[in-house]
Amino acid sequence: QKEVEQDPGPLSVPEGAIVSLNCTYSNSAFQYFMWYRQYSRKGPELLMYTYSSGNKEDGRFTAQVDKSSKYISLFIRDSQPSDSATYLCAMSNPGANNLFFGTGTRLTVIP
Amino acid sequence: DTGVSQNPRHKITKRGQNVTFRCDPISEHNRLYWYRQTLGQGPEFLTYFQNEAQLEKSRLLSDRFSAERPKGSFSTLEIQRTEQGDSAMYLCASSLEGPLYEQYFGPGTRLTVT
Repeated sequence: QKEVEQDPGPLSVPEGAIVSLNCTYSNSAFQYFMWYRQYSRKGPELLMYTYSSGNKEDGRFTAQVDKSSKYISLFIRDSQPSDSATYLCAMSNPGANNLFFGTGTRLTVIP
Repeated sequence: DTGVSQNPRHKITKRGQNVTFRCDPISEHNRLYWYRQTLGQGPEFLTYFQNEAQLEKSRLLSDRFSAERPKGSFSTLEIQRTEQGDSAMYLCASSLEGPLYEQYFGPGTRLTVT
């Protein structure tokens, strides 16, 4: 079993829809949770970064962490065609020097 | 542009050849990471430097792979005797030191081994 599981999609939604992206994980030591956006043939771009449990909002993006369920989510409100990309969740534990990534979910927002 | 830069962006090589990639991190970042990403997968950790010291290596980093960061600034990743299974995107990231670290990635070097 991988430490981080993510549905690869693909996920297609109409413009303006609310998008929900999710990851589950098995390592209860994970404390740092990140979401990256990756456009085709580009490097990952950091979107959101949260520590431990709770919610964090940044514009149209909201990240949620539920440590009791080992489940994290990224919500995108009023989705735009420019949001079309692969979204990667990543996480780590204190003292670790690397990130553990999910496989990524490919999102397409249709105009 | 003050982000992480990587060169070359693309490399096509024949099996058995050696290749070297370069990463220039964000200037004030003393931590540097190498990851490998294959198609349809997330990045997988290869190795990590703090300043010029290589502090951690993944099991993925076989003895054909070597990474250096000689002056604590740019880093190189060399693959000797390339194999077709080495075909992947090689990503470099950098971060500040501290308990809360946000890793910033470069655009990657796409390697194709024919």
